[in-house]
Amino acid sequence: GIQVEQSPPDLILQEGANSTLRCNFSDSVNNLQWFHQNPWGQLINLFYIPSGTKQNGRLSATTVATERYSLLYISSSQTTDSGVYFCAVSYNFNKFYFGSGTKLNVKP
Amino acid sequence: GAGVSQSPSNKVTEKGKDVELRCDPISGHTALYWYRQSLGQGLEFLIYFQGNSAPDKSGLPSDRFSAERTGGSVSTLTIQRTQQEDSAVYLCASSLDWPGRAGADGELFFGEGSRLTVL
Repeated sequence: GIQVEQSPPDLILQEGANSTLRCNFSDSVNNLQWFHQNPWGQLINLFYIPSGTKQNGRLSATTVATERYSLLYISSSQTTDSGVYFCAVSYNFNKFYFGSGTKLNVKP
Repeated sequence: GAGVSQSPSNKVTEKGKDVELRCDPISGHTALYWYRQSLGQGLEFLIYFQGNSAPDKSGLPSDRFSAERTGGSVSTLTIQRTQQEDSAVYLCASSLDWPGRAGADGELFFGEGSRLTVL
């Protein structure tokens, strides 16, 4: 299967700081999604981004498919951004392979 | 309902008992996935249903695990003779999309999960 590696595994930020999360994957994919798992366990889809760049408010993501990586940027972080961020990849919409996640703790 | 619904939200069982976990996907979604998340870990793929196609069962960890999807909607994940290592959160997701659908993005919508504890 496709190997997905996320870094860093843990990240502690002061409120207002910026951060970059990285997702590397081992094979060609045509579907890449970023998720946020809140402290209650709910997974929310942030971006569908198999290539290119997208922005949604303080969050943006870039995927360079030819180099097999994606980046998630969080600007002006807030305590509500805390949780675990997962990257998931797929080829042709069947099984999605998830990374182990980046656990983010934003301190007030 | 508006989202993916899973039940029960919590299940405590004794080793050796059978359990059934239910997933009710978003209405009209053709794809349905089951994943397992052990404490502090990532998501492990279990099974994928897409329309009337044969399911992809390649992630089921043993023959004690089975799943079915009736009428292209509700799915049930059954674990027979539960073991302590089966303790985890079982997550269900659905998607509107399939390969080749115009404008498809395969966005996954997850339920809140069923937390299984095997004593």
